[in-house]
Amino acid sequence: DAGVIQSPRHEVTEMGQEVTLRCKPISGHDYLFWYRQTMMRGLELLIYFNNNVPIDDSGMPEDRFSAKMPNASFSTLKIQPSEPRDSAVYFCASSSGGGLYEQYFGPGTRLTVT
Amino acid sequence: AQTVTQSQPEMSVQEAETVTLSCTYDTSENNYYLFWYKQPPSRQMILVIRQEAYKQQNATENRFSVNFQKAAKSFSLKISDSQLGDTAMYFCAFMGEGRLLTFGGGTRLMVKP
Repeated sequence: DAGVIQSPRHEVTEMGQEVTLRCKPISGHDYLFWYRQTMMRGLELLIYFNNNVPIDDSGMPEDRFSAKMPNASFSTLKIQPSEPRDSAVYFCASSSGGGLYEQYFGPGTRLTVT
Repeated sequence: AQTVTQSQPEMSVQEAETVTLSCTYDTSENNYYLFWYKQPPSRQMILVIRQEAYKQQNATENRFSVNFQKAAKSFSLKISDSQLGDTAMYFCAFMGEGRLLTFGGGTRLMVKP
């Protein structure tokens, strides 16, 4: 299996622009998680889905952030409008409900907002 | 809420030596999982080892092993025969019945030649 795939790997954008991060989970996994990693706050869970349905979005920092999972093989995290404080590494992870619960992470997207 | 504490922000070890990374956690749950993840400079989060709380036997994966002390709520990672490729950030993580991961702050490990 190719593992969790994220795109783009790097994104540089100007403040106020819309940013869309993409994730393809491991085939057969029914849980998908979005995390943000910063030096100050470490790894934070933003939102997670089960069977394409958002279960808990309490970690989403503001209304500027939104996430969707239109099907079992694709999810997006959108920031509109972006701000410099959104600069971070964003990870997508997936896991199987029937498995041993471990989450497998994608390579991350490094977002820089200038 | 669960908390995970890694008290060693940075550690170093000579190549081929053994090093132990500490982790403590706090929870009121009885059934849970514990994990160690490795994050090398490439920033990929790699699962190193997991431990089910109901298992008394400590998990082992090649050169990596854990010392799980449930009563003390301690979950340390031992790396034997350290290699240069082990240089990375190591994160301890807790997963309770809610299936969400709570991460510690990480320990930066440097393996010196």
